[in-house]
Amino acid sequence: ILNVEQSPQSLHVQEGDSTNFTCSFPSSNFYALHWYRWETAKSPEALFVMTLNGDEKKKGRISATLNTKEGYSYLYIKGSQPEDSATYLCAPLTSGGSYIPTFGRGTSLIVHP
Amino acid sequence: NAGVTQTPKFQVLKTGQSMTLQCAQDMNHNSMYWYRQDPGMGLRLIYYSASEGTTDKGEVPNGYNVSRLNKREFSLRLESAAPSQTSVYFCASSELGSTGTDTQYFGPGTRLTVL
Repeated sequence: ILNVEQSPQSLHVQEGDSTNFTCSFPSSNFYALHWYRWETAKSPEALFVMTLNGDEKKKGRISATLNTKEGYSYLYIKGSQPEDSATYLCAPLTSGGSYIPTFGRGTSLIVHP
Repeated sequence: NAGVTQTPKFQVLKTGQSMTLQCAQDMNHNSMYWYRQDPGMGLRLIYYSASEGTTDKGEVPNGYNVSRLNKREFSLRLESAAPSQTSVYFCASSELGSTGTDTQYFGPGTRLTVL
């Protein structure tokens, strides 16, 4: 079971603010990392899957970077909107196991109008 | 396409009762998963099925059993429910699973309370 840390645990921002949060994981035997977005009363939905050191992915105002050597990924949201309010989960996995990701506890983002 | 469906949506059990949570997917995915989600915790894997006919334990399998009935359906059974099993249960599926880069598609969840 991987030790996955997400910080901060929760974040309140104003509409229009840009924000970022972190996912930390063991760097040894890294294989891939998933980011999911989970809105209240809904199911988690995939944002990105990242595999290579230095990877950058973008979807609208949301982007993510990956550093496999030091074991972290950043998720950025530019110009936050109230509809961005959700919990953002990261889920890394290592090679040599079951190839099923381990989910972090998430960062809860609340964007105030 | 309905995606991943789960029944029931809500359930209240008394300690010691048994029940089965049903999950079905219509995306022809090979792999299916059961997770539980508790306050302050991430999604924790209970059991998974990498392909039809196989099942394996995840992080928190104690107190649960599973059946991969066919490619579409994956059920989770609580034989003798305990209050510690009060949780929200999510079923998920992915196309291949064993690649590690597959996206998981989640069902709407079952909220279970054990009194």
